[in-house]
Order: sequence, then C-alpha cells, then structure tokens
Amino acid sequence: GQQVMQIPQYQHVQEGEDFTTYCNSSTTLSNIQWYKQRPGGHPVFLIQLVKSGEVKKQKRLTFQFGEAKKNSSLHITATQTTDVGTYFCAGRLRLTGGGNKLTFGTGTQLKVEL
Amino acid sequence: EPEVTQTPSHQVTQMGQEVILRCVPISNHLYFYWYRQILGQKVEFLVSFYNNEISEKSEIFDDQFSVERPDGSNFTLKIRSTKLEDSAMYFCASSGDQAYQNYNEQFFGPGTRLTVL
Repeated sequence: GQQVMQIPQYQHVQEGEDFTTYCNSSTTLSNIQWYKQRPGGHPVFLIQLVKSGEVKKQKRLTFQFGEAKKNSSLHITATQTTDVGTYFCAGRLRLTGGGNKLTFGTGTQLKVEL
Repeated sequence: EPEVTQTPSHQVTQMGQEVILRCVPISNHLYFYWYRQILGQKVEFLVSFYNNEISEKSEIFDDQFSVERPDGSNFTLKIRSTKLEDSAMYFCASSGDQAYQNYNEQFFGPGTRLTVL
C-alpha cells in the first residue's frame, strides 16, 4: 500500500534557527496537504499544494511540492516557541474518479528551546 | 468560527463492549471522515462518508466498525466488540462546503480518547 515517510522524526532547535521537514511518498500524489498538531491537540490544516514544483509561503513557512509529485518539504525560518508541535504531510493519491483518502506521513516533532 | 465537535472527550470501556463515538461536523460540509491516532504515532485514515454512504475505507475499517449519519447533523463511529488495540484517539473531520470554498481542507474535531481495558 501507499506509504508516506517523513524525516526527521524529531528535531530540537534553538529559537531563531531554521527547521525543515521532508515528506516522501511511495506513489505519485494528486495533491499534498500539511497539518500541524500541537501537543495534546488535533491536526490543523496549514496548506494544500497541487501543481508539480509548486511553492507557497505563509509568513515564515515555505512549502514545496516536488516536480514528480512524490515529495514535499516544509521549511520554517527563524523558529519561535509557538512553532512547537508535530508537522504532518498528508497525500492524496491520484485516483481515477477522485477519492478523498488522505494518507498521513509519519510526522516530524519539532521542539524549540529558548 | 464553525468547528467540528466530538463527544465524549474520553471513553473507557471493557474489552468486548460496544462503543459509539459521536461527532457533529461543520453544518454545510459534504464529506465526513474518521481517523485514529495511537499515542505517539501518525494519524491513520479509517473511513470517508459522502452522500449518506461510505466512499472509501482503509484496511483498518473491518467488520467491527460502522458509521452512520442518523439525523443530518450527527456522524457516528461504532465499534462493535472493542479490542485492546482499539485504544487510540479517534478524530472526526469534515470538508467540502457547498460553496466549494477550500474544498479539500479537512477540519478536525478535538478527538475522543478511547481506552479499552
């Protein structure tokens, strides 16, 4: 079955350092979404990428979708303590007739120290 | 701001018992989902529901699971005979409002923590 892996599994940074998490799918994706889950919380939608090679920015966050639509990355510039949480990518397979199944990645847990 | 709600927040049950987890999706959404997350692990898709029927389900969603939208507002997940390994956080989500704004963005509820003893 489809697998979506993320690296690293954990990342500890000092406040102000940059952070990147990488997402890789075993199969080509129709689109990819990114979610953030705070400790003890629920996943919260951040963004969706659809086009091959697409890059989107949200303030200090930059999201990329690979040319082959099998990988993606999230980069945070100058991390803050509010960035703490687990970041999940979630891929939707390219299925004939569509389909709404999201396959979540394994997640990257980010800790930010002062 | 509209949100997905779930009840109860925590359910403790004995192995072999039936449980029903309840969700109220965002009112104008068209697609409904259940996910589970075992402590410290990734979010796993269980089932999606559209137009009063299951549209997709995972291999986890076997015959002991069922979903229902009994009254046009609630969306329930029933586990007929719980097993120890069913212990997890269960998230309901909804997406796809009728105006097709942010169609694919899924809004998650706060979750129900199920503990099977």
